[in-house]
Amino acid sequence: GNSVTQMEGPVTLSEEAFLTINCTYTATGYPSLFWYVQYPGEGLQLLLKATKADDKGSNKGFEATYRKETTSFHLEKGSVQVSDSAVYFCALSEYTGNQFYFGTGTSLTVIP
Amino acid sequence: GAVVSQHPSRVICKSGTSVKIECRSLDFQATTMFWYRQFPKQSLMLMATSNEGSKATYEQGVEKDKFLINHASLTLSTLTVTSAHPEDSSFYICSARDFQRERGTGELFFGEGSRLTVL
Repeated sequence: GNSVTQMEGPVTLSEEAFLTINCTYTATGYPSLFWYVQYPGEGLQLLLKATKADDKGSNKGFEATYRKETTSFHLEKGSVQVSDSAVYFCALSEYTGNQFYFGTGTSLTVIP
Repeated sequence: GAVVSQHPSRVICKSGTSVKIECRSLDFQATTMFWYRQFPKQSLMLMATSNEGSKATYEQGVEKDKFLINHASLTLSTLTVTSAHPEDSSFYICSARDFQRERGTGELFFGEGSRLTVL
């Protein structure tokens, strides 16, 4: 079956530090992969996505590359800011169905 | 901008009362919407899939008589928490797929969420 395994948090970093949040997946077909971000008290917003192997999604300085050989979609940012403090969810979707699978979420706190 | 909107964003009610949360797709027709529940510091739990014009499909362990879902139009799904109790306090989030926007990626668009507190 399909599943997403995400690095557990919480993660605390100093401003301008490098961020990596690991995400691996299991899928029966050819999924699309997503990172969603949830700021305190809000719903989820799409951060970036990749729809096929070797695609790189990027947005707001965040990047993730769809690696089929390692079934991974790790989120990275070279220099985090206080405003990046949020919960990050890795997710996958297979278009053939209405199934959407979330990781457990990783809470990130960036301190000045 | 937002393509899925939820209302209300926050609601406080007394135990035993019913609360209705609305989820609207703003500029597209959503034949299917999804309702999630999120406990503090946890991931999203899919409660049910709301299908326009037919009965919702509930996930295992979700009481359909407690959480009534109605999807009467292509742009509106409602979740009614009936006879609410303090343990129903949670963050409820809806989502929908916009097949034109997502272009086959399976992307979900989420509402802002509704914080329910039952006293």
